[in-house]
Amino acid sequence: KQEVTQIPAALSVPEGENLVLNCSFTDSAIYNLQWFRQDPGKGLTSLLLIQSSQREQTSGRLNASLDKSSGRSTLYIAASQPGDSATYLCAVPVERDDKIIFGKGTRLHILP
Amino acid sequence: EAQVTQNPRYLITVTGKKLTVTCSQNMNHEYMSWYRQDPGLGLRQIYYSMNVEVTDKGDVPEGYKVSRKEKRNFPLILESPSPNQTSLYFCASSLIAEYNEQFFGPGTRLTVL
Repeated sequence: KQEVTQIPAALSVPEGENLVLNCSFTDSAIYNLQWFRQDPGKGLTSLLLIQSSQREQTSGRLNASLDKSSGRSTLYIAASQPGDSATYLCAVPVERDDKIIFGKGTRLHILP
Repeated sequence: EAQVTQNPRYLITVTGKKLTVTCSQNMNHEYMSWYRQDPGLGLRQIYYSMNVEVTDKGDVPEGYKVSRKEKRNFPLILESPSPNQTSLYFCASSLIAEYNEQFFGPGTRLTVL
């Protein structure tokens, strides 16, 4: 059964720093991996979707990488800003299933 | 504007009183799903639908029902709500299937007393 883990559960960094969020999954048979942002009490906003055949996907200051064989994805945030403070979640749809499995998220706090 | 809408956004009810949370999308998406989000447990899929009249159980379907009579609507039904169904609920949709980009609604905060 697919399990998705995000470490750390929470992270605080000073403004301006570059940072990396981690997502690992146990079953490498995935179509893709999607990163989301969630602000407190709000819905999820899609940030990046990286296909299983891709290594990287970039959007502005965000860069997501995927290493399917090792079951890992990272979300790199460059030059962090206080507005980046949110919870970041990763999700994988499983090839042998029609379901989607989410990690529990990393709660990011950017210190001004 | 392309969006997923949910109603109501907030609901307080009592044990056993049937309720329905509506979900609608205007993107002509085929795949729709419901999640609940609980502290420490993250997002868990309740039910999903690949297309009209096609629904299937997710990881936590007990106590819930869904229907998909039209492509745009996917209501979540709690026939006899219990306090352990107090949660934040999200509806999501994607173009064809679970492997497409998922678009989420704003959430419904449900409290069952």
